[in-house]
Amino acid sequence: KNQVEQSPQSLIILEGKNCTLQCNYTVSPFSNLRWYKQDTGRGPVSLTIMTFSENTKSNGRYTATLDADTKQSSLHITASQLSDSASYICVVSGGGSYIPTFGRGTSLIVHP
Amino acid sequence: EAQVTQNPRYLITVTGKKLTVTCSQNMNHEYMSWYRQDPGLGLRQIYYSMNVEVTDKGDVPEGYKVSRKEKRNFPLILESPSPNQTSLYFCASSLVGLAGVDTQYFGPGTRLTVL
Repeated sequence: KNQVEQSPQSLIILEGKNCTLQCNYTVSPFSNLRWYKQDTGRGPVSLTIMTFSENTKSNGRYTATLDADTKQSSLHITASQLSDSASYICVVSGGGSYIPTFGRGTSLIVHP
Repeated sequence: EAQVTQNPRYLITVTGKKLTVTCSQNMNHEYMSWYRQDPGLGLRQIYYSMNVEVTDKGDVPEGYKVSRKEKRNFPLILESPSPNQTSLYFCASSLVGLAGVDTQYFGPGTRLTVL
């Protein structure tokens, strides 16, 4: 069964600090992995999309990494801001299905 | 402005009363989909459409119907809503299916309560 596990479930950090969110998946064969940011009560917004051949992709202060061999991805946030407080969702496509597999998300709170 | 719109944004209804949630995109995207989001369960796909007149079931299609008569519109129909369909619903679109690398754009969400 295709699965995506995210950790930690929640995280609290101080403004200005860095943090790393993890995503492990079992989806095979692999098509791509997406990270989304979702503010409370709003629709998810795409941060990065990575294919098998990419191991790093950046979007401003957000950097995603992918290790397709170990089926792991991470999202690193640099110099966090209050506006980074949100849920971060990892989504993997593939597995012989047109239906993507979603992680349950990591809830990040950035305190001043 | 490129966007996905949903209506209504909030809806309270009663069990069994048919309802439709509309979704429209202005980006000429071929792929559209519906998701529901419940606390602790994350996002789950209800239905998706690869193009006009082409729709297929997602993970949780029971109790829902969709249609894709025009490229820009993808309404979600609940013929006989039940309380377990109380949820936050999102419509999304992308140029092609999610096996590609095009950005998927989500709508603002529709919060549905079924009493």
